[in-house]
Amino acid sequence: GENVEQHPSTLSVQEGDSAVIKCTYSDSASNYFPWYKQELGKGPQLIIDIRSNVGEKKDQRIAVTLNKTAKHFSLHITETQPEDSAVYFCAATYSSASKIIFGSGTRLSIRP
Amino acid sequence: SAVISQKPSRDICQRGTSLTIQCQVDSQVTMMFWYRQQPGQSLTLIATANQGSEATYESGFVIDKFPISRPNLTFSTLTVSNMSPEDSSIYLCSVVEQGEEKLFFGSGTQLSVL
Repeated sequence: GENVEQHPSTLSVQEGDSAVIKCTYSDSASNYFPWYKQELGKGPQLIIDIRSNVGEKKDQRIAVTLNKTAKHFSLHITETQPEDSAVYFCAATYSSASKIIFGSGTRLSIRP
Repeated sequence: SAVISQKPSRDICQRGTSLTIQCQVDSQVTMMFWYRQQPGQSLTLIATANQGSEATYESGFVIDKFPISRPNLTFSTLTVSNMSPEDSSIYLCSVVEQGEEKLFFGSGTQLSVL
């Protein structure tokens, strides 16, 4: 079955700098890759997603890239702000939302 | 996206008791799920809540421990039965909206078992 590995587990960046979180997946049939942000005491929030027919997608300060050949996908946050501090989860699925496999999470801290 | 209301938001329970968590969605959804998130961990699927029939459980989860109901398209309950401290986790309701293939989560129920 699908396995998703996420790195790093913790990340601390200076406010205004960029943050990059990387994930790899094992099942080449996976074709949908969402990213979730979870703030303390809240449920995960879908922030961006990408499908396998697209190599890159951007939404304001957030972008996701996908390398199908290498089975890698990454989340890029530019011009980081204090409100970006949270735990981020990547995920992958090939069949439906019921088969979404989550990464282990990255705790992002933004230093003032 | 659909608004997902989950109750209670948190609870502290004694071992051996049961807690029922409710999930209400403000629009019709195709799929409803229940996830568990143990402290500092990722998200683990417990089961798919099927409307009008028995839930579909993932490996490691059983109906006797986590009975689930879904009487209609917008409401589901998860019961955590005969609780032990190991059941202390965040329990999350999630849905896939009609016409979408995106998974959305409720705000979660923080459960502590003493």
